[in-house]
Amino acid sequence: HLQESGPGLLRPSDTLSLTCSVSDGSVVGHHWSWIRQTPGKGLEWIGYVFSSGNTDYNPSLKSRVTISVDTSKNQFSLKMTSVTAADTALYFCAGLPSLWSQGTMVTVSS
Amino acid sequence: DIQMTQSPFSLSASIGGRVTITCRASQSIGTSLNWYQQKPGKAPKFLIHGASTFQHGVPSRFSGSGSGTNFTLTIRGLQPEDFAVYFCQQNYTTPWTFGQGTKVEN
Repeated sequence: HLQESGPGLLRPSDTLSLTCSVSDGSVVGHHWSWIRQTPGKGLEWIGYVFSSGNTDYNPSLKSRVTISVDTSKNQFSLKMTSVTAADTALYFCAGLPSLWSQGTMVTVSS
Repeated sequence: DIQMTQSPFSLSASIGGRVTITCRASQSIGTSLNWYQQKPGKAPKFLIHGASTFQHGVPSRFSGSGSGTNFTLTIRGLQPEDFAVYFCQQNYTTPWTFGQGTKVEN
């Protein structure tokens, strides 16, 4: 079971911060992804983090994104800097391919 | 990036009917292809990995096939709960990419 937390409304230029808590399992030994969905662009993989801390990011977002893991809290997190309206989306955390959160809507608006 | 193109964008089908959805990759991905089902307001549900291997609990009316650049998801004997949007996703190389989705409607 995955559950995100974080603010749903941001202003342009803010930093988006989301945390995903993993229950009924451990983050250790797996990779954990952030994915977003918009009506226009569909599903977009943002990046992943291994429990070791190694990461891989979508080049289209790499300059603005950091994904980290906290094994002591069984959580992983997303930070995206300098958000714009184009970052408005439904954000999922996931242990691809089989584990997905319900998604949290993030809106960027002035 | 590997582009994933699904067709059709949407289709109309009847209960008991057969549905075929195609997913095409812009370059060969072997069988590194997942299929998902998404219903309104829900997260995608994982159906098939490796192009043709079922996730546990997926009904046998779903089947996947293909390799290289061309893949197919088939639903035989469509049930009311199958009306949804279906996505393909390649996990051959990052950035992992998704098809734009195919809506199966009544």
